[in-house]
Amino acid sequence: GENVEQHPSTLSVQEGDSAVIKCTYSDSASNYFPWYKQELGKRPQLIIDIRSNVGEKKDQRIAVTLNKTAKHFSLHITETQPEDSAVYFCAASSNFGNEKLTFGTGTRLTIIP
Amino acid sequence: GAVVSQHPSRVICKSGTSVKIECRSLDFQATTMFWYRQFPKQSLMLMATSNEGSKATYEQGVEKDKFLINHASLTLSTLTVTSAHPEDSSFYICSARVRGGTNEKLFFGSGTQLSVL
Repeated sequence: GENVEQHPSTLSVQEGDSAVIKCTYSDSASNYFPWYKQELGKRPQLIIDIRSNVGEKKDQRIAVTLNKTAKHFSLHITETQPEDSAVYFCAASSNFGNEKLTFGTGTRLTIIP
Repeated sequence: GAVVSQHPSRVICKSGTSVKIECRSLDFQATTMFWYRQFPKQSLMLMATSNEGSKATYEQGVEKDKFLINHASLTLSTLTVTSAHPEDSSFYICSARVRGGTNEKLFFGSGTQLSVL
């Protein structure tokens, strides 16, 4: 089955700086890669996703890059703000998200004011 | 986005009792729902996939007789933790899959924090 690894497990960033979280996956059939933000005790919220037919996607301060050859994808948050503090999970799925998601281990991001 | 309602949000029960958690899709029909378990500071681990009108598919290592899943309608799936023990204490969260034109594929419930004394 699919295996998704995520690094780092914790990340502290000064407010205004950029944060980068990286994930690798094992199944070459995976073609859908969402990123979720989860605040303490809350449900995961989708913040951005990317399909394997593109290499990069951007939505305001958030961007995701995908390298299919190397089987890794990354989340980039620029101009970080205190409200960006949360746990971020990457995930992978095949059939463009119509199959089950396998989640990474999570990254606890702390933005230092 | 689509709304998934999960109840209860928090349960405290005695060891040996059974607990039922409900997951409802409020504004769409969910042919498939997923049940996850999340330990503190850890990732979401898929327990089972629930398909309406058929038996759930359990992930390796998940006891189907302990975690009973029922998906009797297109808007409701339930997870029953039978004879709960302290090691079953965890955050349980459901999600429902939306097919078709939307880019967003999976919507999560708000989760249930189960504490078994």
